[in-house]
Amino acid sequence: GQQVMQIPQYQHVQEGEDFTTYCNSSTTLSNIQWYKQRPGGHPVFLIQLVKSGEVKKQKRLTFQFGEAKKNSSLHITATQTTDVGTYFCAGNRNTGFQKLVFGTGTRLLVSP
Amino acid sequence: NAGVTQTPKFQVLKTGQSMTLQCAQDMNHNSMYWYRQDPGMGLRLIYYSASEGTTDKGEVPNGYNVSRLNKREFSLRLESAAPSQTSVYFCASSGARAVEAFFGQGTRLTVV
Repeated sequence: GQQVMQIPQYQHVQEGEDFTTYCNSSTTLSNIQWYKQRPGGHPVFLIQLVKSGEVKKQKRLTFQFGEAKKNSSLHITATQTTDVGTYFCAGNRNTGFQKLVFGTGTRLLVSP
Repeated sequence: NAGVTQTPKFQVLKTGQSMTLQCAQDMNHNSMYWYRQDPGMGLRLIYYSASEGTTDKGEVPNGYNVSRLNKREFSLRLESAAPSQTSVYFCASSGARAVEAFFGQGTRLTVV
């Protein structure tokens, strides 16, 4: 079945440093979504990427979708303590109904 | 606007006991999902319902059953709980053309 892997599993940075998490799917995706989960909370949607090679930005966050639509990355510039949490990518092979397969997640810890 | 509501928030079961996790959404979404989250495993899809009246198995359906009671409600039943089912369970929903999945607050289940 479809598998989505994320690296690294965990990263601890100092506030102000950059952070990147990478997501790789075993199959070509129709789209990919990114979610953030704060400690003790539930996943919250950040963004969806659909087009091959697409790049989207949300303030300090930059999301990329690979040319082959099998990988993606999330880069945070100048991390803040509010960025703490686990970041998940979620891949979807369908063009209509969203049946998301979540990655294993990257847990980010930011020290002040 | 409640979004996705799950009950209960916490539950402790003894091995062999049964229970039903309830989920309701008030966003008129067609699709609903049950995920479980275990440390280092990300979110794994148990069952989903693409639309009212249909249900389908996800990645890890063994030991679970579901009921799509109506468009709003999607319940998850554990017939004979096992310690391996100790996990955090999330219900989610998405609309026909909605980009994102909306998650409930989660149910923390411990089976002893």
